[in-house]
Amino acid sequence: ETGVTQSPTHLIKTRGQQVTLRCSSQSGHNTVSWYQQALGQGPQFIFQYYREEENGRGNFPPRFSGLQFPNYSSELNVNALELDDSALYLCASSWRTEPEKLFFGSGTQLSVL
Amino acid sequence: KQEVTQIPAALSVPEGENLVLNCSFTDSAIYNLQWFRQDPGKGLTSLLLIQSSQREQTSGRLNASLDKSSGRSTLYIAASQPGDSATYLCAVYYPSGGYQKVTFGTGTKLQVIP
Repeated sequence: ETGVTQSPTHLIKTRGQQVTLRCSSQSGHNTVSWYQQALGQGPQFIFQYYREEENGRGNFPPRFSGLQFPNYSSELNVNALELDDSALYLCASSWRTEPEKLFFGSGTQLSVL
Repeated sequence: KQEVTQIPAALSVPEGENLVLNCSFTDSAIYNLQWFRQDPGKGLTSLLLIQSSQREQTSGRLNASLDKSSGRSTLYIAASQPGDSATYLCAVYYPSGGYQKVTFGTGTKLQVIP
């Protein structure tokens, strides 16, 4: 077990709604990354937060946004949900050292109907 | 842009067989490479992480190798067991725009038949 916890584990929303997913980092980690994993695909990088600031972003539209809090926990917000947003959302925390090994949570399964 | 490919996409072997999973990447300027296991609908479990200065890592029945110059990594599983059935993902850590980025392959789905 990695110590990274995500909530909720499962979520069902309808198209056009907004959703917030939460992640609690492993103790001592100051960096959090979010990934989207569609069925049968590898995880795709959404963005990374380091010390409460967005530090890198993948090829996702602005309706995907995030926050990192002083305790290094994090939120992923998705506005105007689309059917293609249905996926497993994974959070990973790490400590900015070399190597910066990622520790993943169990994910939130989001279904958009 | 770093692209990561895993071959084969799926593999079915009888219990007890040794097997090799392959991962290739297009840009050799990497920091690390990490192998993960994923059970259906679950998160990722780290198996092995190889730093760019290393050529291999071993843990129990697993051995991962890294050849940066050729852009390849292999995960060797000895004496496979039904409990090894899962999807195996490789992830490449590399520099991008002043920070470290990670790109995953699409995975190899392994089935070990009793």
